[in-house]
Amino acid sequence: DADVTQTPRNRITKTGKRIMLECSQTKGHDRMYWYRQDPGLGLRLIYYSFDVKDINKGEISDGYSVSRQAQAKFSLSLESAIPNQTALYFCATSDLSRGTGELFFGEGSRLTVL
Amino acid sequence: RKEVEQDPGPFNVPEGATVAFNCTYSNSASQSFFWYRQDCRKEPKLLMSVYSSGNEDGRFTAQLNRASQYISLLIRDSKLSDSATYLCAVNREGKLIFGQGTELSVKP
Repeated sequence: DADVTQTPRNRITKTGKRIMLECSQTKGHDRMYWYRQDPGLGLRLIYYSFDVKDINKGEISDGYSVSRQAQAKFSLSLESAIPNQTALYFCATSDLSRGTGELFFGEGSRLTVL
Repeated sequence: RKEVEQDPGPFNVPEGATVAFNCTYSNSASQSFFWYRQDCRKEPKLLMSVYSSGNEDGRFTAQLNRASQYISLLIRDSKLSDSATYLCAVNREGKLIFGQGTELSVKP
């Protein structure tokens, strides 16, 4: 089983719908992140969390919200999806105590907004 | 201007070639540096960390120049299996900021 699991893996939805992408991890890491990837733009940070009570905006947080329900779970919501939120979304974790900053990614959630 | 910028791709090289990727970062508070590899539409995976003294892992060599805020990755004796997108990443305050990625295609 994957250490970082994202659901759903693929989703097609319509403009205006509410969408939640979920991420769970079994690595026991403190830090969790949501990125989106678009062709030619690399990975851009949406939100990140260093522990259960901590939520921080990344470089492109507008139109998104997150919830850190437990150390192992970090969900990303699109309250009213729009077509330019069509992208590949990655959840990632890292271990503060290791200090390396290495990220461990889930397999990605491909979202299409029509 | 993006905080982390990479050479535009794609790089198309023959097997056996040496290829170099460059990456610049704008925030001098950046703490640590990495190269990630991403196969087509899969998740990125850490290729190697980058240290000031330079570091090598087999055919791969990474260099960091803090004064110039510049990171590089050299791949020697390219293999077909090296075809992928290479992303540089900078750790600033506990979050990784990625470059746009450079696509490498190694041809027979």
